[in-house]
Parts: sequence; structure tokens; C-alpha cells
Amino acid sequence: TQLLEQSPQFLSIQEGENLTVYCNSSSVFSSLQWYRQEPGEGPVLLVTVVTGGEVKKLKRLTFQFGDARKDSSLHITAAQPGDTGLYLCAGGAGYALNFGKGTSLLVTP
Amino acid sequence: GAVVSQHPSRVICKSGTSVKIECRSLDFQATTMFWYRQFPKQSLMLMATSNEGSKATYEQGVEKDKFLINHASLTLSTLTVTSAHPEDSSFYICSARSAGGLDTQYFGPGTRLTVL
Repeated sequence: TQLLEQSPQFLSIQEGENLTVYCNSSSVFSSLQWYRQEPGEGPVLLVTVVTGGEVKKLKRLTFQFGDARKDSSLHITAAQPGDTGLYLCAGGAGYALNFGKGTSLLVTP
Repeated sequence: GAVVSQHPSRVICKSGTSVKIECRSLDFQATTMFWYRQFPKQSLMLMATSNEGSKATYEQGVEKDKFLINHASLTLSTLTVTSAHPEDSSFYICSARSAGGLDTQYFGPGTRLTVL
């Protein structure tokens, strides 16, 4: 199993602050996905990155895939309470996805 | 696009009964569907992978006779929890991967199972 280490595990910030979540592995992935999950719901896909060095932006969220396709980061600018949730990274390994343990983000007004 | 539904969203049952959960891909064909279990404030734990028309592949430690999976069509997979016990209470989530697509999986909204 190719392990994905996510950090930090928990993050509590105030509205307007910036934050970065990291997803690291010693293995190379064919693709990497980021999901956001709210309590009692299924994960919702935010982005898929496939090319080493790729950067994708989704409004205030910036996703980067490492050059070696072993790591990724998610940066949120000016966080809002609606960004609260569990952020999961998942690496494509042929058949299935390997999930990180998640980063639980709480943004308070 | 890429919508996955699950039914039911919540189910409460008595110990010893069986519960069936349906997972449907609504606007695409899913050659592969996955079943996950999630405990509170934890990440997803893959239980099994199912391919249309063939037997499911179970992860280590998951009892295939207890968690029966059927993937009868390209848009439907079912998970049956047989002889459920309180320790089976959990949040069960399915996902679907489209034919010929990337590794991206699209998730259903989950099913909260409570066994009394």
C-alpha cells in the first residue's frame, strides 16, 4: 500500500486567514485528487491533478502537484466559515485510491 | 455530471437482520465501484472493489460473507450487511469510477447504519 501522509491533522483558524495543507508520500502517483467532506455527507471532488508541477486554482483554493508526483499541497486564501470540513487527498495507484488520513479544518467567524 | 446516489441515506435495524445499501451512478457508466466504511472523524477505509459482472475484491480483514457485494450492471452496485450487529454501525460510502477515465472516483452521499 502506498501511504499518503497528510498534515496538519487538525487546523482551527479565524476567518480571513490563509492556510496550507500538505499531502506527502514516498511513492509516485499517476494522479492525485483532493476531496472535501462535510459531516454526514460523502466526499466531494475538488480537483484532480495529473502532471508533475501542475498548479490548479479553484476560486480561493490553489492546488499544486509536486514535480516528482509524490506530493501535493492545498492552499486556501482568506478562509471562510464555509470552508470548514474534512479535506482528503487521495493518490491514484492503478485500480484504487490511497487516501490520506485527512485534515479537519475549522474556520471560525 | 458524475453524480452518484446512495439509498437509503439512513437505516436503523435490529441486531441479526440484514440491510441492503444501493449505489447508483446516475449519469455515467461505472465499470468499477468501491465501498468504504468511515468511523467518526477518520478517513475512509476501503472495504471492497467491485467490477461489473465479476466477484468483488475484498480488502484484508473484511469478511466477504458478512458484507455481500453485487455489481449487476454498469450503474448499480449493492452492499448487503448480513446478520448485522451493533459493531457494524458506521457510515458506509460508495464511489464509482467511470470507464476509461482517470483514477478519479465520485462518491455517493453515504449511508448511516445504526444497529440496535
